[in-house]
Amino acid sequence: AQSVAQPEDQVNVAEGNPLTVKCTYSVSGNPYLFWYVQYPNRGLQFLLKYITGDNLVKGSYGFEAEFNKSQTSFHLKKPSALVSDSALYFCAVRDIGSGNTPLVFGKGTRLSVIA
Amino acid sequence: EAQVTQNPRYLITVTGKKLTVTCSQNMNHEYMSWYRQDPGLGLRQIYYSMNVEVTDKGDVPEGYKVSRKEKRNFPLILESPSPNQTSLYFCASSLTGYNEQFFGPGTRLTVL
Repeated sequence: AQSVAQPEDQVNVAEGNPLTVKCTYSVSGNPYLFWYVQYPNRGLQFLLKYITGDNLVKGSYGFEAEFNKSQTSFHLKKPSALVSDSALYFCAVRDIGSGNTPLVFGKGTRLSVIA
Repeated sequence: EAQVTQNPRYLITVTGKKLTVTCSQNMNHEYMSWYRQDPGLGLRQIYYSMNVEVTDKGDVPEGYKVSRKEKRNFPLILESPSPNQTSLYFCASSLTGYNEQFFGPGTRLTVL
């Protein structure tokens, strides 16, 4: 069965500094990978996805993520953090090599950008 | 406006009193899903539906039922709610099971 791990519950970064939110995954086939963001009292919003192709994926609000097959990672990055990026971030994976499998989410990482 | 709507947004109920949380999408999506969000546990999938009349269990289906009689609606039914079902519930939809999902605003359920 597929699984995803977000090793950090909380990430703190100063405004203007680069940020990284880590995600590793485990699948038996090939992964579809997603990042979502949740602002307070809101539903989740899609940020970006990797299905195939270029390992560097660009998404909304200046975020990008790099797919690394050998390390089974899909870390979320942004070159310069904004206070408004403070939110809860979820990585999710779907194993496309195993028939009808559900989308599995990580436990989330809370990003705090300090002015 | 393309959206997923859920009702009610907030609900306080008592143990054993049957309830239904409605979910509707206006994007003609085939795939719909229900999740619960609990602190420290992230999102866990309850049920999903690949298309009309096709539903499958997710990771935590116990105590829940769903139906998909028409494409736009995917209600979540708690036949006999218990306090451990107190949670924040999200409905989501996507074009197919392999596309990004659009989430509803959430339903905060408290079972006393």
